[in-house]
Amino acid sequence: AQSVTQPDIHITVSEGASLELRCNYSYGATPYLFWYVQSPGQGLQLLLKYFSGDTLVQGIKGFEAEFKRSQSSFNLRKPSVHWSDAAEYFCAGANFGNEKLTFGTGTRLTIIP
Amino acid sequence: DVKVTQSSRYLVKRTGEKVFLECVQDMDHENMFWYRQDPGLGLRLIYFSYDVKMKEKGDIPEGYSVSREKKERFSLILESASTNQTSMYLCASSPLSGSSYNEQFFGPGTRLTVL
Repeated sequence: AQSVTQPDIHITVSEGASLELRCNYSYGATPYLFWYVQSPGQGLQLLLKYFSGDTLVQGIKGFEAEFKRSQSSFNLRKPSVHWSDAAEYFCAGANFGNEKLTFGTGTRLTIIP
Repeated sequence: DVKVTQSSRYLVKRTGEKVFLECVQDMDHENMFWYRQDPGLGLRLIYFSYDVKMKEKGDIPEGYSVSREKKERFSLILESASTNQTSMYLCASSPLSGSSYNEQFFGPGTRLTVL
């Protein structure tokens, strides 16, 4: 079955430190992959997406993600986090032609001064 | 700018009440979705609509129904609310796949409490 897994429920990092959030997928073919962010009390906002081509994808707010087929991963990174990055982050995937996304369970990010 | 709106941010209802959650999008998208979001479970798809009057069950449709009479509006209905339906409900829309690769746009959510 198609699935997206986020192994980390909660991550705490210091402001200014680097960040990596993990996402693993299980699809028969290369899926479309997305990272969304949800600030407290808000809906989801798209950070970045991968469809094909360059495996390093740049997104908004200084985030990037790297698609690694050999590891079935699509990890989200940021070189230096800001307090405003505290939020919940969701990885999602879909097959081409499938209108529905499958979401991971989310990773909550806490930033400490 | 892309916009998905939901009729209420917060809603409190009693067990057994009929509840309507409304979602409107102004992007002329074909697809609309209803999810519920619970801690530790992520987003789970309740229902999906790919056209007016068309609907498809998602992963957790039990206890819910939907209505899509106009392209821009997608309603989620709880026929008889129960306490285990207390949750955050998120609406989303997207164009048909192939034109925008399934990117979904989300509303702000409705936090429903059933007492």
